[in-house]
Amino acid sequence: GNSVTQMEGPVTLSEEAFLTINCTYTATGYPSLFWYVQYPGEGLQLLLKATKADDKGSNKGFEATYRKETTSFHLEKGSVQVSDSAVYFCALSAYQTSYDKVIFGPGTSLSVIP
Amino acid sequence: NAGVMQNPRHLVRRRGQEARLRCSPMKGHSHVYWYRQLPEEGLKFMVYLQKENIIDESGMPKERFSAEFPKEGPSILRIQQVVRGDSAAYFCASSPGGNTDTQYFGPGTRLTVL
Repeated sequence: GNSVTQMEGPVTLSEEAFLTINCTYTATGYPSLFWYVQYPGEGLQLLLKATKADDKGSNKGFEATYRKETTSFHLEKGSVQVSDSAVYFCALSAYQTSYDKVIFGPGTSLSVIP
Repeated sequence: NAGVMQNPRHLVRRRGQEARLRCSPMKGHSHVYWYRQLPEEGLKFMVYLQKENIIDESGMPKERFSAEFPKEGPSILRIQQVVRGDSAAYFCASSPGGNTDTQYFGPGTRLTVL
């Protein structure tokens, strides 16, 4: 079945460090791929998405490229800030049974220290 | 344009009581999804509903849990005879259509069972 795997957390970085959170997926067909972010005490917010191979999603300095050959969608940011501290969820949407079902990864917690 | 609304934000119940969680989707959205997030864990799909129809309830526990999305009014997730293991954050998401893969999340209801 369809699934999403993310790197284990928690990840702790100093402010202005480079961030990579790995995400790989298993899916039949051509899924859409997403990164969602959850700030403490809040619901999930869509951070970025990509709908086909080689697409790059970007938002708020974050970016991720849809790599079909490696079935990956790694999240990157060149210089993190304390305000980026949150849990990041990789997700895919793929046709399953009768509709496009969204599958979430387990989440990766990021803490950025000043 | 108001986002997805959930109420209450916090709910405390004693073991054996009933919990009712409400979700009002974004304006124009007719598809609702419920997820459960246990402490320090990822997001688990519970149920997907359209107006007056349950499309996928594969993630719902077979007993004590039920969900509805009536023609008028919010979607309701109902948990009967709550147990301590039901303590979690319950998130609702909505989308405008079944083939639209981006989901918009509410702030969640945090259920505590004493």
